[in-house]
Amino acid sequence: DTAVSQTPKYLVTQMGNDKSIKCEQNLGHDTMYWYKQDSKKFLKIMFSYNNKELIINETVPNRFSPKSPDKAHLNLHINSLELGDSAVYFCASSQDSTGTEAFFGQGTRLTVV
Amino acid sequence: GIQVEQSPPDLILQEGANSTLRCNFSDSVNNLQWFHQNPWGQLINLFYIPSGTKQNGRLSATTVATERYSLLYISSSQTTDSGVYFCAVELAYSGAGSYQLTFGKGTKLSVIP
Repeated sequence: DTAVSQTPKYLVTQMGNDKSIKCEQNLGHDTMYWYKQDSKKFLKIMFSYNNKELIINETVPNRFSPKSPDKAHLNLHINSLELGDSAVYFCASSQDSTGTEAFFGQGTRLTVV
Repeated sequence: GIQVEQSPPDLILQEGANSTLRCNFSDSVNNLQWFHQNPWGQLINLFYIPSGTKQNGRLSATTVATERYSLLYISSSQTTDSGVYFCAVELAYSGAGSYQLTFGKGTKLSVIP
């Protein structure tokens, strides 16, 4: 039973399209995140939600819009995809917004062609 | 923001050898985690260790928070240990780097038979 699950695992799409990545956690955690891993494998925070409220919004183009319908789900919608958006996107969750262990999903490899 | 430096960047080991990976960080932390990213891209939690020492099988970790470093020990390495090892920290007080994990650039480990 996967703790943090993302769909899809792979996503190939054309420039200009709009796409969504879904994330669900069954750990009962209050906080969820999106991280981006670039081609050099560097991982960086994008967004953080605590109890459905946005608490971190790093310098990310406003084409990226997170949505948290409830505290177990955090989806990522991307408008007008660009070549530079190609990366692996990881969802994560932790019990609280600070000082607690984070658990990651398996990642979504997005390729924009 | 908080800085995280990992060393060495690359490491090649013969199967059965031992190794030590290091993570230095620039400020006080209330969360430090070690992850293994396997060749399939999954981020696997190894340790949640903001301070102290923990052991799990052939792996152990020590964090000396007052001196701002953490060490990951791998003993009797196996080919399945190959991958990238990441250290990630959370700033202990409000500021850039709080309420999120800041990752180091990782150590790429290759274990050869």
